[in-house]
Amino acid sequence: GAVVSQHPSWVICKSGTSVKIECRSLDFQATTMFWYRQFPKQSLMLMATSNEGSKATYEQGVEKDKFLINHASLTLSTLTVTSAHPEDSSFYICSARVNRGGNQPQHFGDGTRLSIL
Amino acid sequence: GQNIDQPTEMTATEGAIVQINCTYQTSGFNGLFWYQQHAGEAPTFLSYNVLDGLEEKGRFSSFLSRSKGYSYLLLKELQMKDSASYLCAVVDSNYQLIWGAGTKLIIKP
Repeated sequence: GAVVSQHPSWVICKSGTSVKIECRSLDFQATTMFWYRQFPKQSLMLMATSNEGSKATYEQGVEKDKFLINHASLTLSTLTVTSAHPEDSSFYICSARVNRGGNQPQHFGDGTRLSIL
Repeated sequence: GQNIDQPTEMTATEGAIVQINCTYQTSGFNGLFWYQQHAGEAPTFLSYNVLDGLEEKGRFSSFLSRSKGYSYLLLKELQMKDSASYLCAVVDSNYQLIWGAGTKLIIKP
């Protein structure tokens, strides 16, 4: 159980393009989903916490208008990187937590490797 | 501030035992997670400790001492596939997950 699906796995696109990444909890409901970014050989960096039916909570330094998050249902959250530039190239990973309290483990999607040319 | 410390890198031999330590100073404590992350892949859940003591799961065990702000992950009978980064993460009083930078474990034949 506790499977999280993330799509797409790889994206290569031109500078200025907007890219949407989907994160789905397949066999459980997730009130809260998390979006992380990880640069090569660095640790996970939390970008934002996505709450179903409400606005996302962004970490300091993360631009809300640049990284649009929508959590329209208990099983789907999306991250849209708007007008992406080469410096946005990174490994983006989502995770979801089952709705039984904050001390439940986060289960991760397989990640999306974004390359902006 | 909140802080989690773990060694940057460790090397061990196939078949041996290795212990990866994690110390933390956080605003409150609601449990500690260990995750494994292979290069280029997302993290996978290994263990969760909220009470003091040792939790054993096959070749992997995790220990917690809340009074010392200390945990370790013990890997026995090391296999080459255990080469990965191991991430320690603490749930604080607001149920936010505070991540360590990870320990890269290199297994040599």
